[in-house]
Amino acid sequence: QLQLQESGPGPVKPSETLSLTCSVSGGSISTSGYYWAWVRQSPGRGLQWIGSLSFSGTTYYSPSLRSRLTISVDWSGNQFSLKLTSVTAADAAVYYCARRPMAWHAFDIWGRGTLVTVSS
Amino acid sequence: QSVLTQPPSASGTPGQRVTISCSGSSSNIGINAVNWYQQRPGTAPRLLIYSSDQRPSGVPDRFSGSKSGTSASLAISGLQSEDEADYYCAAWDESLSDVGFGGGTKLTVL
Repeated sequence: QLQLQESGPGPVKPSETLSLTCSVSGGSISTSGYYWAWVRQSPGRGLQWIGSLSFSGTTYYSPSLRSRLTISVDWSGNQFSLKLTSVTAADAAVYYCARRPMAWHAFDIWGRGTLVTVSS
Repeated sequence: QSVLTQPPSASGTPGQRVTISCSGSSSNIGINAVNWYQQRPGTAPRLLIYSSDQRPSGVPDRFSGSKSGTSASLAISGLQSEDEADYYCAAWDESLSDVGFGGGTKLTVL
């Protein structure tokens, strides 16, 4: 059974870079027909799509975050990562990684999420 | 401000049928499929409906979705206590080139 697990360093200071990794087990992220995504949720902003990575390595970013965002992939480690630079309090949220079947345009499997706080 | 508009709350008694609405525009729901997610406290969202009216395997047929014009609805029949959760709609927005989410509807089972 496919499982996704987010991991990261914990609290981030304002203006620093947020780095998170999503480890995928029970299936390969290079399997055709899927995107791998990051979604965040905060009390103030609700659910927000951050960006996605296709099975071939193409990345797609939310326009609101594109200037600060990089999504990368480690094919051999079966994991993908997020780096968000110059974070502010507005970036504090629960960050989820999720799978999106290309044909569905919906996120069908989610990780449990990781809470990211931004504080000096 | 959310791209899609949902009522903040809804309620029903066990066994009842409830519907949750989701209003959008010609750049999102009007031309793209709608997805619905259920989120219980402290857990990740769970996909309930995709492509406006399709259920993933494992989702009870008590849950159904529909779309008309720039609006969509999620219906839950035979309401159960375990259905108490937050429900979110989502659709791709062509103008924003982004996924639009609703602000969520908190469903209370009385």
